[in-house]
Amino acid sequence: SSELTQDPAVSVALGQTVRITCQGDNLRSYYASWYQQKPGQAPVLVIYDKDKRPSGIPDRFSGSSSGTTGTLTITGAQAEDEADYYCCSRDTSGNQIYVFGTGTKVTVL
Amino acid sequence: EVQLVESGGGLVQPGGSLRLSCTASGFTLNSHWMTWVRQAPGKGLEWVANIKQDGSESFYVDSVKGRFTISRDNAKNSLYLRMNSLRAEDTAVYYCARDINGAYGDDVRLDYWGQGTLVTVSS
Repeated sequence: SSELTQDPAVSVALGQTVRITCQGDNLRSYYASWYQQKPGQAPVLVIYDKDKRPSGIPDRFSGSSSGTTGTLTITGAQAEDEADYYCCSRDTSGNQIYVFGTGTKVTVL
Repeated sequence: EVQLVESGGGLVQPGGSLRLSCTASGFTLNSHWMTWVRQAPGKGLEWVANIKQDGSESFYVDSVKGRFTISRDNAKNSLYLRMNSLRAEDTAVYYCARDINGAYGDDVRLDYWGQGTLVTVSS
């Protein structure tokens, strides 16, 4: 099955912009969706269909995609954005499974 | 309000079995694919299985094929995960999630998640 690779950790100053990347061959065929997970909580969908936000997700969250890389951008990071972020996409081996990225811990300084 | 509530987790010995349940409310369960995702302690998310609206199709990650069975009872607004031949590496929090696009759609969109139930496999 395919893999989705993310940087293990990134930090961002309060109010600044941070970009979280997700790399994998299957992203040539499918967009990544993105999930935020805070300690002890369930994941929350923050971006789907490359750049769409579910209701209730602040517009400082945005998504993009190019080639084999999907990107989640937080513009004007807030303290409450400190969390783990996971990308997710379909496997392209034809076996109808999903793959999560390795996860990125975002620290807001 | 959409809610998903998992139950059935606990401590089980290696080789044992367990059935997890996920009770849905606030939406029509039989209109949606559903998915199970797990997270081992201190680790990342791993997709486990999903099931079509009418239960006629389901798919599994390789590591659980032949041991886990996903099922649903739409009349009871419930999703299940039967886990047999459990191993230490199955220890995780198990989440159910509503799966908007299912196995044949475009991107993966898991839009609502339960709070999870912890399964510990240990002697």
